[in-house]
Amino acid sequence: AQTVTQSQPEMSVQEAETVTLSCTYDTSESDYYLFWYKQPPSRQMILVIRQEAYKQQNATENRFSVNFQKAAKSFSLKISDSQLGDAAMYFCAYKTSGNTPLVFGKGTRLSVIA
Amino acid sequence: DTGVSQNPRHKITKRGQNVTFRCDPISEHNRLYWYRQTLGQGPEFLTYFQNEAQLEKSRLLSDRFSAERPKGSFSTLEIQRTEQGDSAMYLCASSSRTSGPSYNEQFFGPGTRLTVL
Repeated sequence: AQTVTQSQPEMSVQEAETVTLSCTYDTSESDYYLFWYKQPPSRQMILVIRQEAYKQQNATENRFSVNFQKAAKSFSLKISDSQLGDAAMYFCAYKTSGNTPLVFGKGTRLSVIA
Repeated sequence: DTGVSQNPRHKITKRGQNVTFRCDPISEHNRLYWYRQTLGQGPEFLTYFQNEAQLEKSRLLSDRFSAERPKGSFSTLEIQRTEQGDSAMYLCASSSRTSGPSYNEQFFGPGTRLTVL
């Protein structure tokens, strides 16, 4: 069974600084997708960034980028120029292609210090 | 269309009562997923539908849980004879089968928070 591990229950970062959240996963599949979701307090989960496993290039979305290491099964999220609004729970998630559900990690709570 | 909606947002019930939650997906999405999220954990998959067909159920979905999606539109999740262990956030997500930038992306609703006393 596929598993997703987030080893950092909590992280903090100074405003305007850079922070990296870690994620590792276990799978025997070759075709899959990886996601980072953000869940602000009492608000709904939104997608931050996605990565297709067949793509070697790391995905970027404005201040958010990933370091995808397929051989190591590692998928970390880097947030640059952190803002107060980035404070939230961040979940790493995995899914295979097609009609399959997401498998989530336990999350990392990110605090941003002004 | 403003996204996935769920009702009610909060539900408090006494142990042993039945509860029903509703999810309205994004209108053109044919896939609908239910997840459960307990405090301090990531969401865990419960079940999913493609159109009106329930295609997969997690072992987390005990006999007290039932889900439906009549006509492939909204979905309901019913919990019978609720237990305190059922207290959690119940999340609904939908996705489209068509290819494009959002293919394989699931869009989440705000969730229904259930408290069983």
